[in-house]
Amino acid sequence: EVQLVQSGGGLVQPGGSLRLSCAASGFTFSNHWIHWVRQAPGKGLVWLSNSDRNVAHIFTVDSLKGRVTISSDNAKNTLYLQVNNLSAEDTAVYYCATFVGGRFDPWGQGTLVTVSS
Amino acid sequence: DIVMTQSPDSLAVSLGERATIKCRSSQSVLHSSNNQDSLTWYQQKPGQPPKLLIYGTSTRESGVPDRFSGSGSGTDFILTIDSLQAEDVAVYYCQQYYSPPFTFGQGTKLEIK
Repeated sequence: EVQLVQSGGGLVQPGGSLRLSCAASGFTFSNHWIHWVRQAPGKGLVWLSNSDRNVAHIFTVDSLKGRVTISSDNAKNTLYLQVNNLSAEDTAVYYCATFVGGRFDPWGQGTLVTVSS
Repeated sequence: DIVMTQSPDSLAVSLGERATIKCRSSQSVLHSSNNQDSLTWYQQKPGQPPKLLIYGTSTRESGVPDRFSGSGSGTDFILTIDSLQAEDVAVYYCQQYYSPPFTFGQGTKLEIK
C-alpha cells in the first residue's frame, strides 16, 4: 500500500524545537516533492513548505523562514521537518503529502504538535 | 502570495440536491506551458487528513464518485456535488499549486439541511 507514515509529534515547551518525520511506504520519493501543511485546532489548512528528496529545492512560507530545517534520509525514504523556537501559535496537526503529476496524494496521517508550558 | 477565497463559508443542502462551492484566486493559476489550471479540491472529515477529490481543476481522482465535479478557469472555479449523500458532510478546500506558497482557501463547511 502506498502511504506516508508520520511521527514525531507531541508536547513541546515554548521556545523548544521539534523534528517531524515523514516516511514513504510502498513507494520511493524519487520523483516526488514532499509538502508540509498544518492545521491549527478548529482552523483551516495552511501550506508551509516543500522540498525535493535531495533537499536541493526548498520553499518555505515567510512566517516560518529562519525557524525551519528540512532534511532527508534517502536510505530510510524519510524526510524531516524541524521547527525551532516554537510558540503557542505553532500548535497544530502537521501533515506531509507527496506531489507528483499535479496530484497531492497520498497524505500522511498527521501528527499533533502542542506547544505549552 | 496568491490568495484563495471560497464561498460560502458554510452551506446546508438537502439530501439528493446539488451543492455548489466556489473558489476564487487573486491571480490566474493557469499554466501557459500546458494550458491547465493548477487548482485542486479536497474533502476533509473530522480527525482525518484531506482527501484529494479533483486536480487540474476538473480531473477527478481515482475512486472519487462521479457526483463530484470541478470546473472553471483562470481565477474562478467551482466544485459541484450532485445528488448530495450523507457521507458528503465535510469541509471542502481548494488549493492552488501554480506558485509557492501553495495556498488554500479558508474552507467551506457542508452540512445536510
